[in-house]
Amino acid sequence: DGGITQSPKYLFRKEGQNVTLSCEQNLNHDAMYWYRQDPGQGLRLIYYSQIVNDFQKGDIAEGYSVSREKKESFPLTVTSAQKNPTAFYLCASRLGIWSNQPQHFGDGTRLSIL
Amino acid sequence: KQEVTQIPAALSVPEGENLVLNCSFTDSAIYNLQWFRQDPGKGLTSLLLIQSSQREQTSGRLNASLDKSSGRSTLYIAASQPGDSATYLCAVRPTGNQFYFGTGTSLTVIP
Repeated sequence: DGGITQSPKYLFRKEGQNVTLSCEQNLNHDAMYWYRQDPGQGLRLIYYSQIVNDFQKGDIAEGYSVSREKKESFPLTVTSAQKNPTAFYLCASRLGIWSNQPQHFGDGTRLSIL
Repeated sequence: KQEVTQIPAALSVPEGENLVLNCSFTDSAIYNLQWFRQDPGKGLTSLLLIQSSQREQTSGRLNASLDKSSGRSTLYIAASQPGDSATYLCAVRPTGNQFYFGTGTSLTVIP
């Protein structure tokens, strides 16, 4: 079955450490997104990518970095510059950035600070 | 910037009741609006997508309506069941590439 796989499900970060969250999709979608979800808040966009080797900052990109070397993969790195990284991170994809197709989501990664 | 509001934040209903969830947005210039369901600790599951040219979409016991001019959408759930208990979120796509999400309504259906 086609879908989006996020790993790991739970991740712990030490002070000063960079960690990378994985997102893989086999839906053949061009557009991919990373969101952060905090309790009592809606999803906020970190980065999105329209196509391989291209990505754009969302509303809260500071302290995060991404890459898009393959169509299927859009990993997110939470750097030590992100001072409040504890949150639920969700990856999504869509057929194309200009299409009117729905977004599909993975099951998320919960990041906590040790 | 688009602001999306969902009221109430939480709702409890007895099983079998019909219910309406609300979503309002500040800028009526949108391409589409999507309703999602989120179970605890899980990702979002797409329920319905309404294009800006449509007034409503239906899937099983779910019906979503869109009134762009007033900046409102409703999600109607008929004959609610305990399995419908979840958080329901709406998201709008304005004239750009980003989606803006509401904070969700947490629904509990009591057996």
